[in-house]
Amino acid sequence: AQKITQTQPGMFVQEKEAVTLDCTYDTSDPSYGLFWYKQPSSGEMIFLIYQGSYDQQNATEGRYSLNFQKARKSANLVISASQLGDSAMYFCAMRSNSGYALNFGKGTSLLVTP
Amino acid sequence: DAMVIQNPRYQVTQFGKPVTLSCSQTLNHNVMYWYQQKSSQAPKLLFHYYDKDFNNEADTPDNFQSRRPNTSFCFLDIRSPGLGDAAMYLCATSEQGKREKLFFGSGTQLSVL
Repeated sequence: AQKITQTQPGMFVQEKEAVTLDCTYDTSDPSYGLFWYKQPSSGEMIFLIYQGSYDQQNATEGRYSLNFQKARKSANLVISASQLGDSAMYFCAMRSNSGYALNFGKGTSLLVTP
Repeated sequence: DAMVIQNPRYQVTQFGKPVTLSCSQTLNHNVMYWYQQKSSQAPKLLFHYYDKDFNNEADTPDNFQSRRPNTSFCFLDIRSPGLGDAAMYLCATSEQGKREKLFFGSGTQLSVL
């Protein structure tokens, strides 16, 4: 069974600053993928970034980077140069490479202030 | 430009009255998913289709059914909605590869009166 833990229910960051959203996971699967999604108040889930368990380098997508520490089973999302439009819920998710189900953590609510 | 389309955006039904939620996609993806997301909670997978193969999650109630008549469309049927079924229902698609990200629709917010 997989378990995704996001320990920060809410975070504040000032515009233009960087922020790290924490995610730890637990799985017995040897091969898996880690995802981060953003959910604004409109409800749509927006894909941000993906990290494969065997990828050697940390994933980056524009202002988003994933700090992947496999031994510690953590996959923290780093958002650089925060913008007001980054205010949203952020979900960490995991999928085993042996299946299709994407399992989500409980999410972190990020508020970017001017 | 919308790639995963859910209708309606808001749905109100009565306790015990069957309701159907719709999802269509223009991406031609093999896999379609239905997630339930209750207020302030994580999305929870109900079931998914790989092509026409239906895969039910073990803890999905029998009250929830799904149909996928073709690649583009997928329906979620709630046979006898209870108050606890009020939630956002999210449809998503992905390509065949397991590394592939999911594309989500905007969701249908279901209210049960």
